[in-house]
Amino acid sequence: DGGITQSPKYLFRKEGQNVTLSCEQNLNHDAMYWYRQDPGQGLRLIYYSQIVNDFQKGDIAEGYSVSREKKESFPLTVTSAQKNPTAFYLCASSPHTASGSTDTQYFGPGTRLTVL
Amino acid sequence: GNSVTQMEGPVTLSEEAFLTINCTYTATGYPSLFWYVQYPGEGLQLLLKATKADDKGSNKGFEATYRKETTSFHLEKGSVQVSDSAVYFCALSDLRTSGGSNYKLTFGKGTLLTVNP
Repeated sequence: DGGITQSPKYLFRKEGQNVTLSCEQNLNHDAMYWYRQDPGQGLRLIYYSQIVNDFQKGDIAEGYSVSREKKESFPLTVTSAQKNPTAFYLCASSPHTASGSTDTQYFGPGTRLTVL
Repeated sequence: GNSVTQMEGPVTLSEEAFLTINCTYTATGYPSLFWYVQYPGEGLQLLLKATKADDKGSNKGFEATYRKETTSFHLEKGSVQVSDSAVYFCALSDLRTSGGSNYKLTFGKGTLLTVNP
């Protein structure tokens, strides 16, 4: 059945290491997103992609990188340049409407990253 | 810019009590409004949405009405259950300020609801 999967569920990283979070969707959605969630705060947009081979920075892109080589996949790399990477990371996707705008966003189960 | 303000939690209710979680917004265009729910350790699930003024979104006994005159989208449920315990997020997406594409959701900070038996 269709949905969004994120792996791993929990991830531990040593300071100074890069780490890549996986996000896969089989909903045939064109647009995909990465959000960061910190305790007591709403979600903040890191990167988004509306079509394959194209992506844009969100509000807090510094220290992160993404790629969109396939429609169903949108991996996020947390680099050593990200000063405070410990957080819960959520991936989302949304379909394009007939007018070309994107519709409701649907979320994956999240990855909790802890930097030791 | 766009913003969403939710009532601060936590909110603690007894089972079968009436629930209201207030949400007001600021937007320069014509936003769509959403309520998402997050159960412990999980991602967000869409609870309901409304895309234009006076629309009512409803799902699983929850309701919210898009009130343009008061820029509000309050979440209500007549009788809560223990299983409703979660964090609730109000959010908006604004087609006009997103350059014609709803790429961005603006979220409130979330309201933690605890329902006791």
